[in-house]
Parts: sequence; structure tokens; C-alpha cells
Amino acid sequence: AQTVTQSQPEMSVQEAETVTLSCTYDTSENNYYLFWYKQPPSRQMILVIRQEAYKQQNATENRFSVNFQKAAKSFSLKISDSQLGDTAMYFCAFMKHGEYGNKLVFGAGTILRVKS
Amino acid sequence: NAGVTQTPKFQVLKTGQSMTLQCAQDMNHEYMSWYRQDPGMGLRLIHYSVGAGITDQGEVPNGYNVSRSTTEDFPLRLLSAAPSQTSVYFCASSYDEGNEQYFGPGTRLTVT
Repeated sequence: AQTVTQSQPEMSVQEAETVTLSCTYDTSENNYYLFWYKQPPSRQMILVIRQEAYKQQNATENRFSVNFQKAAKSFSLKISDSQLGDTAMYFCAFMKHGEYGNKLVFGAGTILRVKS
Repeated sequence: NAGVTQTPKFQVLKTGQSMTLQCAQDMNHEYMSWYRQDPGMGLRLIHYSVGAGITDQGEVPNGYNVSRSTTEDFPLRLLSAAPSQTSVYFCASSYDEGNEQYFGPGTRLTVT
């Protein structure tokens, strides 16, 4: 079974600075998808970024980018120019390619606090 | 589009009571899932569906039933509530394999 590990329960960063959230996963699969979801205090789950494992190029979405190291099974999220609105719980998630039912396996989450 | 909607937002049950958490989506998505979120554990899959009439168990299915009679609706039934089922429940839907899952706003359930 796949597992996802987020080793940082809590992180804090000053507004406008850069922060990196760590995620590692364990799988024997070669094709899969990785996601970062954000959960602000409103509780709504919001997709931040998505990566397909067969793509070498790291995904980026505006201020959010990932460092995908397939051999090391690492998928870290970098947030540049942090904003107060980035304060949230961040979840890393894994999905097998061809997985019947589109099942996501989540890490335990990292609470990020952006300070002014 | 309303996206994924869930009702109720909050619910308190006594041990042994039954209830149904409602989930609906208006995006014509085939894939729908139920997750529970507990402190320190992230989200865990309860049941999922790949289309009307097709459902299967996820990681933590015990104590829950599902059915999918239409593409739009995917209700989750608690048969006999237990304190261990106190959690936040999320419904999600997606269009295709590997695509973004759209989540509902969640239901906070407390079982006393």
C-alpha cells in the first residue's frame, strides 16, 4: 500500500518570504499522480498543484512550484512571496495511475502560518 | 455551477442513531468519493463510486454504507453511530482518472 509522509507538522514564514513544505511517499508504481491541497480555516479543500509522475518537468502555478524527485520519492512544495492568505493546512496526496475509483492517499498535513 | 454540495454542515448524534450525509454534484462527474478527516491523520477514503450503480470500499468502510442511483448524488449512511465516527466528512468528485478532485464544504459530525 502507498503511504505519504509529511514530516513537518507545523511551519511558519514571514510575509513575502519563501517556504518549502516537505513530502515523501512510498510506492512501487512507476506511473502515478501527486497533488498538493490547501485547507484554510474555512475547511474547504483547494487544489494547489498537480504533478504527473511521467513528466520530468516540475509543475508550477504562479507562486507555487514543486520539486519532484522521482528516484528519491520526494515531492516538496515551494511557496514564494508568501501572503497572509496562504495560512492553511497543506496536504500532500498520491494517486496511482489507472487506479479504479480515483483514490487519493493523503499525508497527515502541515500547518503553515504566514506572519505579518 | 454549485460544484459539490453537502448537507448538513453540522450534526450531533447519539450513539446508536442512524443518519444519512447527503452529497450532490452538478458537474456530471463519474467519480465520487467519501473521505473522513481526523486530527493528525489527514483524509482517509471511506467509499467511492465510478458511476451510477457502481460503488466499492475504501480504506475505512466499516460502519458506513453507500449507494449511487444517479450520477449526481452519492449519499453516505451511518447505520449505528459510534463515538469513533466523530469526524469531519468530505465528499469529492472528479471527471477522469488523475484529474483534480473537487471537494464539498464538509460535514462536522459529533457522536456522543
